[in-house]
Amino acid sequence: DTGVSQDPRHKITKRGQNVTFRCDPISEHNRLYWYRQTLGQGPEFLTYFQNEAQLEKSRLLSDRFSAERPKGSFSTLEIQRTEQGDSAMYLCASSGHRGGTDTQYFGPGTRLTVL
Amino acid sequence: AQSVAQPEDQVNVAEGNPLTVKCTYSVSGNPYLFWYVQYPNRGLQFLLKYITGDNLVKGSYGFEAEFNKSQTSFHLKKPSALVSDSALYFCAVRDLRESLSSSNTGKLIFGQGTTLQVKP
Repeated sequence: DTGVSQDPRHKITKRGQNVTFRCDPISEHNRLYWYRQTLGQGPEFLTYFQNEAQLEKSRLLSDRFSAERPKGSFSTLEIQRTEQGDSAMYLCASSGHRGGTDTQYFGPGTRLTVL
Repeated sequence: AQSVAQPEDQVNVAEGNPLTVKCTYSVSGNPYLFWYVQYPNRGLQFLLKYITGDNLVKGSYGFEAEFNKSQTSFHLKKPSALVSDSALYFCAVRDLRESLSSSNTGKLIFGQGTTLQVKP
């Protein structure tokens, strides 16, 4: 069990650029979550996948955000035309088959800074 | 709506003393409650969870939490604090609402976090 991994760990970009983050969940986990955490706040839910299906998206996820999990394994989160307000830590978590009682295990996060 | 509150932004304790980090929740139905810890520039590490059963839940690194239904609380405790326990602690509740797809996602709703400072 290598845990949840995320890449890159840090990303600095200029406003208006597109960025893409990757998350590799724990291998046997079918549920995958993206959260966003801003300074001094708790993580906020962005979106959820069960296998390859994206089953829920938060209202926080504007049209500039898109997420995929094409083969039910790794996931990508893309932000188009980044804005300074997108600066945050983006966290990925995965859990197993038992739904809400399962523990979500988090990756180290990708810290995005938009200049 | 499901929510959790962590009333203290920061808790300071001396090493060796007991510590308590407070959390209260508001849910409809039975709550599923979690505690996570976050070290600087790191992701969240799971400490413990309450699903059902014994109100005293034991977790990692000597932490425990007491579920109190009448007070809607789930306070995190440790009998003897270590300097290395200094970190940011988050309480979370599982969202029990069904999503539009009729599949309960199990997403977590987090409190604002409490910084624990343990001084030697």
